[in-house]
Amino acid sequence: GDSVTQMEGPVTLSEEAFLTINCTYTATGYPSLFWYVQYPGEGLQLLLKATKADDKGSNKGFEATYRKETTSFHLEKGSVQVSDSAVYFCAPSGNTPLVFGKGTRLSVIA
Amino acid sequence: DGGITQSPKYLFRKEGQNVTLSCEQNLNHDAMYWYRQDPGQGLRLIYYSQIVNDFQKGDIAEGYSVSREKKESFPLTVTSAQKNPTAFYLCASSPGTGESYGYTFGSGTRLTVV
Repeated sequence: GDSVTQMEGPVTLSEEAFLTINCTYTATGYPSLFWYVQYPGEGLQLLLKATKADDKGSNKGFEATYRKETTSFHLEKGSVQVSDSAVYFCAPSGNTPLVFGKGTRLSVIA
Repeated sequence: DGGITQSPKYLFRKEGQNVTLSCEQNLNHDAMYWYRQDPGQGLRLIYYSQIVNDFQKGDIAEGYSVSREKKESFPLTVTSAQKNPTAFYLCASSPGTGESYGYTFGSGTRLTVV
């Protein structure tokens, strides 16, 4: 079945630092790829997605590129803010319900 | 505005009790899902339903039951057979089960055994 590996957290950054959260996946065929974000005490929200190889998903300054050759979908942001503090989940979508990684907790300090 | 409503936000269960978590959506989505979230373990799939009157077990279905009598509703019952039910439960929906559909999540129910 599908699986996903995310970098271990927590990740602590200063405001305006560059963010990378690594994500690699295993899936049958060429799944769509998603990043979700969870703020404290809330459900998950879709952050961005990419549906085919070399697609770049983007939203709120975050970006991720679908790399078929390395089966990766790393999340990046050029300048993080305190309000970006949350848990981030990578998820491939094949023929079965979404499989989520364990999540990466990001803390941004002013 | 369309969305998913989970209730209650907090729920306390005594040992040996069954409890039911509500999940309602007004997005006209065909598919609905229940996930369990424990600290450090990410989300694990309990049950999902692709269409009314049909549902499938996920990875951790033991001790749980669901029904899908209406398109907009997908309640989850945590039975007394679930030995460690304390967790954060998340309901989600999607237009279908095609791989390009993202999920819309509710705000969750935190269940605690007392």
